[in-house]
Amino acid sequence: AQSVTQPDIHITVSEGASLELRCNYSYGATPYLFWYVQSPGQGLQLLLKYFSGDTLVQGIKGFEAEFKRSQSSFNLRKPSVHWSDAAEYFCAVGANDYKLSFGAGTTVTVRA
Amino acid sequence: EAQVTQNPRYLITVTGKKLTVTCSQNMNHEYMSWYRQDPGLGLRQIYYSMNVEVTDKGDVPEGYKVSRKEKRNFPLILESPSPNQTSLYFCASIGRYTDTQYFGPGTRLTVL
Repeated sequence: AQSVTQPDIHITVSEGASLELRCNYSYGATPYLFWYVQSPGQGLQLLLKYFSGDTLVQGIKGFEAEFKRSQSSFNLRKPSVHWSDAAEYFCAVGANDYKLSFGAGTTVTVRA
Repeated sequence: EAQVTQNPRYLITVTGKKLTVTCSQNMNHEYMSWYRQDPGLGLRQIYYSMNVEVTDKGDVPEGYKVSRKEKRNFPLILESPSPNQTSLYFCASIGRYTDTQYFGPGTRLTVL
């Protein structure tokens, strides 16, 4: 069975500081891995995804994530956070693009 | 504009009264899914469809039905809603040769 753990429920970060969101997954083979962002009252938007190739993946809005097979992790990073990055972030794993298991989410608050 | 639409956006109903939430996409996507989002649980997949007349259960299908008679539409049916189906529901779609899964804006359902 596939599953995702996001250990941090809530993170507060200062504007301009770096951000790292943790994601650990359980999956039997090489998974598809995703990060989605949900702004308040909105649907989900794909930030980036990994299936194969370079383990450092670049996404939209200046985000990147690194796949580490040995640690079963897919952590999301951004070097300098903007106030507009305040949102809820979801990590997801799946055998393909359309049958996904999501983590519980991490809420990011950005303080001025 | 590429989009996934859901109707209604908000619905309050009573236990046992059958309801349908519609989902439509204008991108000719093969794959469509329904998710429910609950606080602390993230998104959980209810059903998915790989094409017209091809559907399968996700992780939490009990109490729900779906149909896929046309490629663009994937309605979610609650034949006898119960209070534990109070949730935020998202429809999503992705094409066989596309990279990004698109999510609808969500339907907030309250069952009294």
